[in-house]
Amino acid sequence: GAGVSQSPSNKVTEKGKDVELRCDPISGHTALYWYRQSLGQGLEFLIYFQGNSAPDKSGLPSDRFSAERTGGSVSTLTIQRTQQEDSAVYLCASGYGTVYEQYFGPGTRLTVT
Amino acid sequence: GQQVMQIPQYQHVQEGEDFTTYCNSSTTLSNIQWYKQRPGGHPVFLIQLVKSGEVKKQKRLTFQFGEAKKNSSLHITATQTTDVGTYFCAGGDGTASKLTFGTGTRLQVTL
Repeated sequence: GAGVSQSPSNKVTEKGKDVELRCDPISGHTALYWYRQSLGQGLEFLIYFQGNSAPDKSGLPSDRFSAERTGGSVSTLTIQRTQQEDSAVYLCASGYGTVYEQYFGPGTRLTVT
Repeated sequence: GQQVMQIPQYQHVQEGEDFTTYCNSSTTLSNIQWYKQRPGGHPVFLIQLVKSGEVKKQKRLTFQFGEAKKNSSLHITATQTTDVGTYFCAGGDGTASKLTFGTGTRLQVTL
């Protein structure tokens, strides 16, 4: 079946504008994660959804960042009043089962000018 | 909070040489996973280790989990150009499946 998909693949926005990034996880996966990866850097955890439980928002860097997961499936990461330091690749991953290996999407490259 | 460091940050080897990356956690881990990210790509799951002292092999790759479950290593024997990429370890803290990713080791292999 299809893997994790993300849209858009690239987004260029002006400083101060809001952006929405979308993630479609693999069907049936109960866990969904958002990460941020700056150029040549590691993966910075942002937020984690597991089934119907309250999300773990401990990685969100500021209150400008928020995320929703509707119907236990699609997720949207919203960044309000974007700043240049928000420029990065935003990766979504989903998982299911005892191993809980994470399947990553191709990412959204966000550039804030 | 939990921190996971990897060394080296970068290694350049000639094809056929061996390569090892080390992963160290500030806290005891419940499990550790390894991922590979090719240049321009996204991380892809390689393996998970759960038991203290566990060793697993995948062809030329050997993964170890330390006795104290605070460190791990990935060893590649006789590297090939297809091994190029960044290798990340990711440690679990025992909660439902949240991982802390390591800083990554970028491997470059030349002929």
